[in-house]
Amino acid sequence: DAGVIQSPRHEVTEMGQEVTLRCKPISGHDYLFWYRQTMMRGLELLIYFNNNVPIDDSGMPEDRFSAKMPNASFSTLKIQPSEPRDSAVYFCASSSSGGAREQYFGPGTRLTVT
Amino acid sequence: KNEVEQSPQNLTAQEGEFITINCSYSVGISALHWLQQHPGGGIVSLFMLSSGKKKHGRLIATINIQEKHSSLHITASHPRDSAVYICAVYGGATNKLIFGTGTLLAVQP
Repeated sequence: DAGVIQSPRHEVTEMGQEVTLRCKPISGHDYLFWYRQTMMRGLELLIYFNNNVPIDDSGMPEDRFSAKMPNASFSTLKIQPSEPRDSAVYFCASSSSGGAREQYFGPGTRLTVT
Repeated sequence: KNEVEQSPQNLTAQEGEFITINCSYSVGISALHWLQQHPGGGIVSLFMLSSGKKKHGRLIATINIQEKHSSLHITASHPRDSAVYICAVYGGATNKLIFGTGTLLAVQP
């Protein structure tokens, strides 16, 4: 398996622009997680899905952030409008079903908002 | 106080040294993850454990559920082990990981 795939790997955009990050989980995994990593706050869970349904979005910072999972092999995290404080590395991870399972992380998307 | 605390925050070692990184947590957990992140790189899962001890190559992870403590040991350390090591726990019956702040390890040749 290719592992968790994320695109783009790097994104530089201007404040106010819409940003869309993409993730393809490992085939057969039914949990998908979106994380944000910054120097100040470390790794934070933004939202996670089970069987394409959002289960917990309490970590989503504000209404500018939205996430979708239209099918088992694709998820998006959208920021609209983007702000400089959104600059971070965004990781997607997936795991198989049930309780505490090992999570497999994608390579991350480094977002810079100028 | 963070729910997951790691120590030390920074560690410098000479090649060949035995290294220990500690993780303490204050919540009930179902399992604990040790993760590795190289500078500018992705996150790799090293271990997930809920009891006892696991070994993979030069890496050993132990957990004491009663004491709410886990350790990650690296034997015969090498410069390629230089990375951030992150402890994360599944709090209770959830699928959500609670992360420690990480330990930055630098192994000098």
